[in-house]
Amino acid sequence: QSALTQPRSVSGSPGQSVTFSCTGASSDVGGYNSVSWYQQHPGKAPRLMIYDVNKRPSGVPDRFSGSKSGNTASLIISGLQAEDEADYYCCSYAGTYTWVFGGGTKLTVL
Amino acid sequence: QVQLVQSGAEVKKPGASVKVSCKTSGYTFTDYYMHWVRQAPGQGLEWMGIINPSGGTATYAQKFQGRVTMTRQTSTSTVYMELSSLRSEDTAVYYCARSMVVVATPFDFWGQGTLVTVSS
Repeated sequence: QSALTQPRSVSGSPGQSVTFSCTGASSDVGGYNSVSWYQQHPGKAPRLMIYDVNKRPSGVPDRFSGSKSGNTASLIISGLQAEDEADYYCCSYAGTYTWVFGGGTKLTVL
Repeated sequence: QVQLVQSGAEVKKPGASVKVSCKTSGYTFTDYYMHWVRQAPGQGLEWMGIINPSGGTATYAQKFQGRVTMTRQTSTSTVYMELSSLRSEDTAVYYCARSMVVVATPFDFWGQGTLVTVSS
């Protein structure tokens, strides 16, 4: 089980849009519509932001959206806000009751 | 309200074992799987394994097989994660996180984390 590949960092100015990528394989991201994204502020537990590629849990702003093409999933944040500055992790189901995370991307709001 | 309350921080010597608990409340214990995820200092999240609280069956990430054991106590709605043969690289915050008892559902609620420090 290899970790999914995420860029180390992404940055954007308030009001802009940013996109996070998450690249896996046909055995995980490409094989299942079970990609989720988690936001983690320093010292806090992760928070579910997107699940099943593009669904938002109750309470998550509609500025957050997700998509997938082949073995790569994406998280898009539009209308960037200062409080969005955090680490973002993708996660995919990988079959036979196993899951795999990406290495995480640090978002800096300029 | 849903609560996943983990046990307190631990300091262990190399070669020892640690057992972390995750006491749940606010939902039906057997309606949700429980996962364990760890995060080494300054590093990313790493999935360790899953336990079905209903039957107690567990599946572990290949990396931890042979060293990790996940169990549950239905009478107290608590799940446990025991990691043995500890080494310095096991120093991390360990989280429990639940997902619905349907294959491939996300981790919708997390515990507060338990810091395990392995040091001689």
